Amino acid sequence: SQQGEEDPQALSIQEGENATMNCSYKTSINNLQWYRQNSGRGLVHLILIRSNEREKHSGRLRVTLDTSKKSSSLLITASRAADTASYFCATDLGYSTLTFGKGTMLLVSP
Amino acid sequence: DAGVIQSPRHEVTEMGQEVTLRCKPISGHDYLFWYRQTMMRGLELLIYFNNNVPIDDSGMPEDRFSAKMPNASFSTLKIQPSEPRDSAVYFCASSFQGYGTEAFFGQGTRLTVV
Repeated sequence: SQQGEEDPQALSIQEGENATMNCSYKTSINNLQWYRQNSGRGLVHLILIRSNEREKHSGRLRVTLDTSKKSSSLLITASRAADTASYFCATDLGYSTLTFGKGTMLLVSP
Repeated sequence: DAGVIQSPRHEVTEMGQEVTLRCKPISGHDYLFWYRQTMMRGLELLIYFNNNVPIDDSGMPEDRFSAKMPNASFSTLKIQPSEPRDSAVYFCASSFQGYGTEAFFGQGTRLTVV
């Protein structure tokens, strides 16, 4: 079964709005990572948050982690059409591999 | 570095044929992963290598699938014989240290078995 589950499955917003995606997972993690996948392309790493961290920022991205609730959120502020992509959370259980969710498809309309 | 390089980008083959997918990881990365992506199952880990040695192949769906890494700069994923249900996008990824670090993905190989 999937370790990580993103919510919502799809999100449609206007340029300039904020986009929030959530990820829930089932077991204790070493760290949690977020990736972006543009249509027809490979996944690109966005940000990594360790299990002892609660919040992390990178440019317009803000990631939070709540280990007590086994959940994480990715916030993209002031979204742009170029942010249109699928976003995946990946959990690192400390066994050298990442387990991915099925992703959130984000559509940002001009 | 040019990143993780996969070939071919697209492959169309007939059921029963052998298919070989190729991957060149980023130089200096000790870990190499093969993933398969489908709409139904999402991104699944098939197998991964550490220093050219297969560590976990529990994700390989059947004996028809095999993977090798003869040296630090090259890996193959072979399907023999191929079946229509093998149609998917296959990704190769590499990382420097495995857990705790980010994975770098190739552009993928879109396999269609007819």
